[in-house]
Amino acid sequence: GAVVSQHPSRVICKSGTSVKIECRSLDFQATTMFWYRQFPKQSLMLMATSNEGSKATYEQGVEKDKFLINHASLTLSTLTVTSAHPEDSSFYICSARGATSGAFYEQYFGPGTRLTVT
Amino acid sequence: QKEVEQNSGPLSVPEGAIASLNCTYSDRGSQSFFWYRQYSGKSPELIMFIYSNGDKEDGRFTAQLNKASQYVSLLIRDSQPSDSATYLCAVNRQRTNAGKSTFGDGTTLTVKP
Repeated sequence: GAVVSQHPSRVICKSGTSVKIECRSLDFQATTMFWYRQFPKQSLMLMATSNEGSKATYEQGVEKDKFLINHASLTLSTLTVTSAHPEDSSFYICSARGATSGAFYEQYFGPGTRLTVT
Repeated sequence: QKEVEQNSGPLSVPEGAIASLNCTYSDRGSQSFFWYRQYSGKSPELIMFIYSNGDKEDGRFTAQLNKASQYVSLLIRDSQPSDSATYLCAVNRQRTNAGKSTFGDGTTLTVKP
């Protein structure tokens, strides 16, 4: 149990275009989803937290108009990178949290999406 | 001072040895503690969580928590080359992991055959 999927796993896009990344919790309802970015050999950087049906909360320094997050249902959240630039190239990872084992709300990560902007 | 501190490593141990990974945190209000394993190029995978002081064992893994010392550790017994990865420590102020977890930068473990 506790499977989180992401699509696509890898995407290459041209500078100036937009890219949408989907994150799904497959076997539990995710009350909260998190979006992280990770550059090579660096730690996870939390970008935003989203709760189903409400606006995402962005971390300081993350442009909410550039990184659009939608958490429309308890199993789906999307991250859209708008007007992508080469510096947006990174590994984007979503994480979902819900009641997977009784009262405990563990956080499970998706497999990640590697974005390359040319 | 970072909220969650881990030695970056690399920590190198021979196959079959015990690997000890340490994590300290600054927020005394932290209630839940997590260890994740991240292989190179992959996303983190939850391997252990602990909420109460003391030890929690799961197979070859043992998590140890000492809230008074604000210290949490992960022991890996009978280390295998497949355990070579970066281990991330995460803490959360909520008992049920509500809100956001704060992650350390990770410790890179290498298990040599």
